[in-house]
Amino acid sequence: TQLLEQSPQFLSIQEGENLTVYCNSSSVFSSLQWYRQEPGEGPVLLVTVVTGGEVKKLKRLTFQFGDARKDSSLHITAAQPGDTGLYLCAGAINAGGTSYGKLTFGQGTILTVHP
Amino acid sequence: DAGVTQSPTHLIKTRGQHVTLRCSPISGHKSVSWYQQVLGQGPQFIFQYYEKEERGRGNFPDRFSARQFPNYSSELNVNALLLGDSALYLCASSLGPGAGELFFGEGSRLTVL
Repeated sequence: TQLLEQSPQFLSIQEGENLTVYCNSSSVFSSLQWYRQEPGEGPVLLVTVVTGGEVKKLKRLTFQFGDARKDSSLHITAAQPGDTGLYLCAGAINAGGTSYGKLTFGQGTILTVHP
Repeated sequence: DAGVTQSPTHLIKTRGQHVTLRCSPISGHKSVSWYQQVLGQGPQFIFQYYEKEERGRGNFPDRFSARQFPNYSSELNVNALLLGDSALYLCASSLGPGAGELFFGEGSRLTVL
């Protein structure tokens, strides 16, 4: 069973602060995705990383995939109240060369940014 | 273009009953996956269907079943409901069977009393 452990589980910060969310596993993933979910809605994809060591930036968000493709991090610079939400990492594993749409999700990080 | 649509959005059942949840994928998407999200946790994979065939199954009991129709819409059925089945059931669609970009619906919130 592949497990993804996210930390921290809860994060409450002031507007303007920086933060990092971590996602770790003992399994190697073919790709790793980060989602953001707001109450009453489904998760929305933020980014997909596929290459070990890859870094992607999306405005104030920086995503990194570990060299061994077992871990990832999400860094937010100068957080804003609009960043508030549940952040989920999810890993995919290719089985026999074909992945079957099965994502293994972490338990999520609830981020609250206070004005 | 319409996104992934799920119905019903909310429903309440009692233990022992059965429930059918429905999902319409984005137009042109042929793959549908189902996930269960219990409050305070990340989604857990239940099933994936592609071209009307089951392509993946998560660690869920046989009370859970699903199917995909010729128009690529899908149904998730849960029999003999337990209190622990209370959750948000998410449907996600994608173009193909790979775990590329998944587009999630808003979910069906099931409460079992």
